Amino acid sequence: DAGITQSPRHKVTETGTPVTLRCHQTENHRYMYWYRQDPGHGLRLIHYSYGVKDTDKGEVSDGYSVSRSKTEDFLLTLESATSSQTSVYFCAISGYGNSYEQYFGPGTRLTVT
Amino acid sequence: DAKTTQPTSMDCAEGRAANLPCNHSTISGNEYVYWYRQIHSQGPQYIIHGLKNNETNEMASLIITEDRKSSTLILPHATLRDTAVYYCIVRVLKETSGSRLTFGEGTQLTVNP
Repeated sequence: DAGITQSPRHKVTETGTPVTLRCHQTENHRYMYWYRQDPGHGLRLIHYSYGVKDTDKGEVSDGYSVSRSKTEDFLLTLESATSSQTSVYFCAISGYGNSYEQYFGPGTRLTVT
Repeated sequence: DAKTTQPTSMDCAEGRAANLPCNHSTISGNEYVYWYRQIHSQGPQYIIHGLKNNETNEMASLIITEDRKSSTLILPHATLRDTAVYYCIVRVLKETSGSRLTFGEGTQLTVNP
């Protein structure tokens, strides 16, 4: 299995609080992604990174920010959590040359009450 | 991206080969066929991809017809742990990032004891 970990694995938080999810990889892959997965919506890309300090928005980026200060870490921050952000969040990585060959982390289940 | 069609569900006996079909009749010459699966509550898992030659790795074999309009993913000796939703997607190989992975409905494979 690709060396990808996510923390925390489960979190319950209140509306309006900031939340940061962490993705850590040991594969030295260039590209990292944050997705959310909800019933009826499938997998949706939030943000992605193509290198240290290089990030860009995906299709559902509103309300989320990211940072990548090191190759191995990609952080996803919900500045002020809302109930609509209750979801399962997956981090993925891919190496240079085939960006559709992505390897996913175990996921973080976030509940915003 | 070419549209893909997969059966909604399939059953397979443990220890037997599982053959999962995918139709992609509008595939273009530079599009690859990718297979992923998602076991309940886990992150998606990359399985294999190919262009026109048959491919095999430690997880599965991918058979692509000569006209490339369809393919079959073969799990040679299915186990209970192979019970999952299997997704066939068709994409142009991209070296750059921002490659949003999207899944259709997929095939629910149930491996029975």
